[in-house]
Order: sequence, then structure tokens, then C-alpha cells
Amino acid sequence: EIVMTQSPATLSVSPGERATLSCRASQSVSSNLAWYQQKPGQAPRLLIYGTSTRATGIPARFSGSGSGTEFTLTISSLQSEDFAVYYCQQYNNWPLTFGQGTKVEIK
Amino acid sequence: EVQLLESGGGFIQPGGSLRLSCVASGFTFRAHGMSWVRQAPGKGLEWVSGISGSGTNTYYADSVKGRFTISRDNSKNTLYVQMNSLRAEDTAVYYCAKANSPAVAGPFDYWGQGTLVTVSS
Repeated sequence: EIVMTQSPATLSVSPGERATLSCRASQSVSSNLAWYQQKPGQAPRLLIYGTSTRATGIPARFSGSGSGTEFTLTISSLQSEDFAVYYCQQYNNWPLTFGQGTKVEIK
Repeated sequence: EVQLLESGGGFIQPGGSLRLSCVASGFTFRAHGMSWVRQAPGKGLEWVSGISGSGTNTYYADSVKGRFTISRDNSKNTLYVQMNSLRAEDTAVYYCAKANSPAVAGPFDYWGQGTLVTVSS
């Protein structure tokens, strides 16, 4: 099983600032990496897939990068609606696995 | 508009069985892999099981292998998971999720709102 490790567990950021979230895979997942956003009481929402492709309707302030085992989600200028938990997921190998999440909170 | 509506959750004793359903609309159901993903209270996401568009290929997490069975009825646009020998650690919100491709292992571009399963004596 591929273990996905996200860091940090919690990120405190002021509105308008840049947020950088990391995700590391225990072995290569090629570019088969997705990012999801989840707000309390809601289902996850796909933000990024294929490492760097934004899903439909996702604002340009969200961007993804990386390859192999190291991946990054960047939120260029945090808006109030961006405070949430973010998960990475690999879909290169079975079983599909998620990271444990990074909570982005208001500083 | 894509919609996924789960049902079938509830309170069940350890060792019991439950079947969850997910009715899909707004897309060509048979053309997409589907999965069940769960989230224990206050915890992260755990992929549980997936099935190809045709239903031919199925996949399971080790934690549920041999106890859960995923299936689909493309004539009814419905995804199922039969959960047997339930344990306390199966307590979670269960989400139905649509892959963005015919492959099972695709990113999940749409999710249902989830149905809560509580396993307790």
C-alpha cells in the first residue's frame, strides 16, 4: 500500500496570504495525484487532478505541482472560503489511498 | 447536473449486515467507475471499494476485503455495497464517489452527501 503523508497537519494563514501544502508518497505515483477540499459537514470537492489540472470551476488561485513522490498544492491568496481541510490522494496503485489531511485555519 | 444520492445507513449491532445504495443521475452512469469512500467521525478519508463501469472489475481495501461486496445495476443507475460482519471500526459516513473516467482508479469528480453507518452494541 502506498502511504501518503501530508504536511503540515495544520497551517495557520492570514487571508490574502499564500498557502503551500505538501504531500509525499511512499513510492512513485507518477502524476496520478489529486487534491480535495473538505469543509465541515460537507462532502469533499475535487480541486486538482493529474497533479496540476484544475477541476471544473476551480479558481486559478489553486495550483498543483510535483511528480513521482513529492507534490504541492498552492493557494496563491487565501480567501475566507478557502479555510478547510485538504487531502491528497493517489490513484496510481491499488488500494487508492489518501493523505491524513492538512487543516488550513485562519491566523 | 450530476447528483449522487446515498441511502441505507443506520444503526447496526456488531456482526450485522447493511446494504448501502447510491442513485446516480446527470451523467452516463455505465461509462464511469464508481467507488465508496468512508470517513470515521473526526477522521480522514478512507477509500473502501471501487467498481468499473461495466461492473466487471472490483477492488477492495484490505480492511473490508471478504466482508464488503460492491456491485452496480446500470439499468437502474445505482451503486451498491453489501456490508457484512460489521465492526465498530466500520462506523463512518459512507460516500459514493464518481471517477472522472471509465477507469475505476480515477480521481473522484463528484461525491454524494454521504450516509452514516453506526456499528455499536
